[in-house]
Amino acid sequence: DIQMTQSPPSLSASVGDRVTITCQASQDISNHLNWFQQKPGKAPNLLIYDASDLETGVPSRFSGSGSGTDFTLTISSLQPEDIGTYYCQQYNNLPRFGQGTKLEIK
Amino acid sequence: EVQLVQSEAEVKKPGESLRISCKGSGYNFTNYWITWVRQMPGKGLEWMGRIDPSDSYTNYGPSFQGHVTISADKSITTVYLQWTSLKASDTAMYYCAIQPGFWGQGTLVIVSS
Repeated sequence: DIQMTQSPPSLSASVGDRVTITCQASQDISNHLNWFQQKPGKAPNLLIYDASDLETGVPSRFSGSGSGTDFTLTISSLQPEDIGTYYCQQYNNLPRFGQGTKLEIK
Repeated sequence: EVQLVQSEAEVKKPGESLRISCKGSGYNFTNYWITWVRQMPGKGLEWMGRIDPSDSYTNYGPSFQGHVTISADKSITTVYLQWTSLKASDTAMYYCAIQPGFWGQGTLVIVSS
């Protein structure tokens, strides 16, 4: 059972800031990682798949990196519409989500 | 257009049974696994399990094995999530998805006496 540790649990940043969220797997998952954004009352929205591939239609300010056990989601310049909760998900074995990071605008 | 349309919200009492549904359209239904994800009020996403609609082979997350049943009826391109005896702790939003990118709108289940 692969555990995913996501951090921070919450963060507050200003418009235009560079924002980084990390996800650590308890064992090597290669690049088998997705990143999602979820807004209140809505289904999750896929941002990044295979650790670093940008889903069609997602703004280029979002990027993902990492492989093995350590992964990062970066928002290069935070926009007001980026508020929400972000989740990583490994799919190397039985899929599992990270605990989530709630992003707010300062 | 790929669509996953879920059944409406349910309000049930503890001990009752329930089956919620997820109907797929706009794609070859038997080509893609369908996953169920739970989100308890104010909490994160939990992967419950998935089914291969072509042969109804299933995987379950450790926390859900034995507590729910996932099934499929490919003749009507529909996948189900079923409980035989609900508990208050089953109160949650449930999403079906073709992971990673296509999600249903969610079904809210409230279990309360």
